[in-house]
Amino acid sequence: QKEVEQDPGPLSVPEGAIVSLNCTYSNSAFQYFMWYRQYSRKGPELLMYTYSSGNKEDGRFTAQVDKSSKYISLFIRDSQPSDSATYLCSQKGGYNKLIFGAGTRLAVHP
Amino acid sequence: NAGVMQNPRHLVRRRGQEARLRCSPMKGHSHVYWYRQLPEEGLKFMVYLQKENIIDESGMPKERFSAEFPKEGPSILRIQQVVRGDSAAYFCASSPTTGPYGYTFGSGTRLTVV
Repeated sequence: QKEVEQDPGPLSVPEGAIVSLNCTYSNSAFQYFMWYRQYSRKGPELLMYTYSSGNKEDGRFTAQVDKSSKYISLFIRDSQPSDSATYLCSQKGGYNKLIFGAGTRLAVHP
Repeated sequence: NAGVMQNPRHLVRRRGQEARLRCSPMKGHSHVYWYRQLPEEGLKFMVYLQKENIIDESGMPKERFSAEFPKEGPSILRIQQVVRGDSAAYFCASSPTTGPYGYTFGSGTRLTVV
């Protein structure tokens, strides 16, 4: 079993839709989670990080962690074509390293 | 404030040659991490370094790969005797300290072995 599992998609939605991106994790010992966005041929950029359970909101983005089900989610409201990218969930593990999911490719079409 | 700088952006090597990838962390960041990304795959951790120290190299292949972060100068990821399977994007990231911080990634070096 992979430590962080993520459906690779691709996911295609119309502009303005609400997007839900999801990951599961197996190791409950570490409770920091991060979402990164990666445009084609670019490095990942940090979108949000969360700790333990609960929600965190930043503009059109909401990150959610459900400890009981070991589920992490990223919601994007009013999606825009500029949101088209690969979204990577990650869990901060031992020795400070980030363990990434495979990434979900999102396409938002006008 | 420049971000994480990686060079070269693209590197082509013939099988059996050596590849050297360089990474300069953000100013004030003393922790450096190297990740590898194969086509259509996520980022795989390779090594975590602080100045003059390797903290965690659990993701590094046992042979041909090495990394350093000297007191002065950039961090170097070195791949000796490259093979076609080494073709990938190599990303460096840095952080100011441990704790609940995300990393800042560079734009990566795309290594192609021919």
